[in-house]
Amino acid sequence: NAGVTQTPKFRVLKTGQSMTLLCAQDMNHEYMYWYRQDPGMGLRLIHYSVGEGTTAKGEVPDGYNVSRLKKQNFLLGLESAAPSQTSVYFCATRPQDRGYYGYTFGSGTRLTVV
Amino acid sequence: AQTVTQSQPEMSVQEAETVTLSCTYDTSESDYYLFWYKQPPSRQMILVIRQEAYKQQNATENRFSVNFQKAAKSFSLKISDSQLGDAAMYFCAYRRYNTDKLIFGTGTRLQVFP
Repeated sequence: NAGVTQTPKFRVLKTGQSMTLLCAQDMNHEYMYWYRQDPGMGLRLIHYSVGEGTTAKGEVPDGYNVSRLKKQNFLLGLESAAPSQTSVYFCATRPQDRGYYGYTFGSGTRLTVV
Repeated sequence: AQTVTQSQPEMSVQEAETVTLSCTYDTSESDYYLFWYKQPPSRQMILVIRQEAYKQQNATENRFSVNFQKAAKSFSLKISDSQLGDAAMYFCAYRRYNTDKLIFGTGTRLQVFP
């Protein structure tokens, strides 16, 4: 049982390049989230999804797009990467109607934009 | 807007001793959840302990316990009998009942000395 799997784990991009981060979960969770973690700023929510085919903006959505075509996958896209998007990206999931339940996190993707 | 504040960027403790990490939050809501997450060098976010706001009894998980003061909006984490493996970043997090967003503090780095 893999839980939440993020690919890739590391990536270096040049400014202006595009890429997609994949989050895959095998727990049948309804809710999925993308966070970014920056030093001294904790984790900030980028986008999230409450179910297949739905997405919503979080706290810092600019420069990112997401898609949830399948329940088990949540994709985070950077269309034109900028150095300000250098960060560690985390995917998280949780079941519906289990508010007391803490999120399950992936192991993160370290992205560097040069 | 809800905010979570961790005023201690770094803390240290001797092995086998007790340490308390502070967390305060700002909300006008009465129903919410509070969490402590541990992030070791592996980057994996691990749920340590959680508390429902309507419960007056403080949560406990083995060597980890919280001091939840609802009126003061304080949610501190006590680690007893500290072990070397407790060394990590610790994040306090808040989620309002029936919402989707988990709001994190900026974290406290805990060092454990032998």
